[in-house]
Amino acid sequence: DAGITQSPRHKVTETGTPVTLRCHQTENHRYMYWYRQDPGHGLRLIHYSYGVKDTDKGEVSDGYSVSRSKTEDFLLTLESATSSQTSVYFCAIRIGTGEETQYFGPGTRLLVL
Amino acid sequence: GENVEQHPSTLSVQEGDSAVIKCTYSDSASNYFPWYKQELGKRPQLIIDIRSNVGEKKDQRIAVTLNKTAKHFSLHITETQPEDSAVYFCAASLSSARQLTFGSGTQLTVLP
Repeated sequence: DAGITQSPRHKVTETGTPVTLRCHQTENHRYMYWYRQDPGHGLRLIHYSYGVKDTDKGEVSDGYSVSRSKTEDFLLTLESATSSQTSVYFCAIRIGTGEETQYFGPGTRLLVL
Repeated sequence: GENVEQHPSTLSVQEGDSAVIKCTYSDSASNYFPWYKQELGKRPQLIIDIRSNVGEKKDQRIAVTLNKTAKHFSLHITETQPEDSAVYFCAASLSSARQLTFGSGTQLTVLP
């Protein structure tokens, strides 16, 4: 499982509230990613990080922010949750500097009512 | 940016038959092509990958082929078993890029 955990694993929240999801890794990998998965859309990149305090936007970044103050933690924040952000969120890590392969965490199911 | 299209979106086969899933990509500079399997309620897991300096790669019952000229690659599963039932995703990436671009997935059902 490449030492990746996500918390919480399930969350129900209300529209307009802020939500923070956490991804934690134990092996000091440089690259970390946040994806959302929705039926018919596969896996879409939200944000990624290539080091502490170094982040960049992905394909569907609107409404999301991220932070990485420590190598092992990558946080995804929904600043004001909307029903369209109901999804399954996966964190991933990239192993090594020359290796493109990504390994996924167990996922977080988020329901925004 | 890269765009990956995956077909078919659903595929049903009889147990023991072969299954083929195809993907096309848009960026001719892409050179890394992984395939992921996702069982219901689980995380995507890497099952095989191929780089552009290789035309075919096999691992037991699964194989991936790459046609760089046509910009497409395919996943082949032989002697399918019920446990092969899952959603399969292809992806493409430049080795210098930081991102993978995923196809939209194929739901494979193996009928007993």
